[in-house]
Amino acid sequence: VQLVESGGGVVQPGRSLRLSCVASGFNFETYGMHWVRQAPGKGPEWVAVIRHNGSNKHYRDSVKGRFTISRDNSKNTLYLQMDRLRVEDTAIYYCARDPDTFDVWGQGTMVTVSS
Amino acid sequence: VVTQEPSLTVSPGGTVTLTCSSSTGAVTSGYYPNWFQQKPGHAPRALIHTTINRHSWTPARFSGSLLGGKAALTLSGVQPEDEAEYFCLLYYHGAWVFGGGTKLTVL
Repeated sequence: VQLVESGGGVVQPGRSLRLSCVASGFNFETYGMHWVRQAPGKGPEWVAVIRHNGSNKHYRDSVKGRFTISRDNSKNTLYLQMDRLRVEDTAIYYCARDPDTFDVWGQGTMVTVSS
Repeated sequence: VVTQEPSLTVSPGGTVTLTCSSSTGAVTSGYYPNWFQQKPGHAPRALIHTTINRHSWTPARFSGSLLGGKAALTLSGVQPEDEAEYFCLLYYHGAWVFGGGTKLTVL
């Protein structure tokens, strides 16, 4: 069972970035998935959740209207489209499995928003 | 807001309880309390879900409960490798909120 994130990098404020999380070793299409972020030296912060079939999505208030969570079950992949990025979005972004237990986490991908 | 003790110290072999409170009132099982352990440079590791349930990899010395209107994580027979930061996570009607974390020192 493994989750591998990618797509992080350094980006200017106001620009966009798309993160990916590729799942392996389990039946991806039966699990809801989360994105969680952690700014340097801070605690984790939940970002968004999507149900197993993509039918239901929820976001933290500070990213509503800017971030979009989605998934492609045919590719075992979870996405996070991040638009209008702000300096305060700088963090390691993790994907995590299961809507209620967050049992499996990826290693994270670093996003730095800086001019 | 979800609140945890900022730091706690415990002796090897001892017992310590970490708590997790909600600014909205008493924490119940409906908040689906989760507990995570994090060591520097690593992703959080799930320990306890839905209040009391250990994951298959969670040592038996870790136990979850509700205590006095808070979620609680008790470590019994603490080992040196338990030194880490611990985060709780609560569910609020579609959204999830992490606590600020408790830095546990084993000394």
